[in-house]
Amino acid sequence: SQQGEEDPQALSIQEGENATMNCSYKTSINNLQWYRQNSGRGLVHLILIRSNEREKHSGRLRVTLDTSKKSSSLLITASRAADTASYFCATDLGSARQLTFGSGTQLTVLP
Amino acid sequence: GAVVSQHPSRVICKSGTSVKIECRSLDFQATTMFWYRQFPKKSLMLMATSNEGSKATYEQGVEKDKFLINHASLTLSTLTVTSAHPEDSSFYICSAAASGRTDTQYFGPGTRLTVL
Repeated sequence: SQQGEEDPQALSIQEGENATMNCSYKTSINNLQWYRQNSGRGLVHLILIRSNEREKHSGRLRVTLDTSKKSSSLLITASRAADTASYFCATDLGSARQLTFGSGTQLTVLP
Repeated sequence: GAVVSQHPSRVICKSGTSVKIECRSLDFQATTMFWYRQFPKKSLMLMATSNEGSKATYEQGVEKDKFLINHASLTLSTLTVTSAHPEDSSFYICSAAASGRTDTQYFGPGTRLTVL
């Protein structure tokens, strides 16, 4: 079964608003990664947060990790229509470098 | 940055035929490559882990005789869908982990397979 579950499954916001997506997982991890996928395209790596980190920033992205709750959140600030995509969290358990993907959040940013 | 390509990007084939998908790391060596399958509006499911020079490791429920994986060099892995059926229609994505790097995987753009 999938390691990660994401919520919400779908999120629709207005341009300029912030978007928050959450990811929960089940077992201990080495790191957690967030990816973006435009419809019918491959994945784009957004950010990686290690198990000993609690927060990380990259441009308009902010990721938090709470290992005690086995959860992570991705915040996109000042959203743009071009941010419309599916966002997936993926956990790296540290063995064989395999990633296990969450169910994904479909973000729609309305202009 | 590291680039991974897949070929073809789209393929349509008849039932019973075999289809080969290539995954190449263009500017780095990849000891390990991964093959994923994605159904519409769904997440990626890991199919197999491909290590250069050795047999692929398949995830539970993935038929190794159906999905043949060959990782003959440090820059190329292939996935062959044998005797394809309509239920094999899906989006197949590969990723490559650079040799010596433990965290980062680079994903290909995906291949859309449609079996008629």
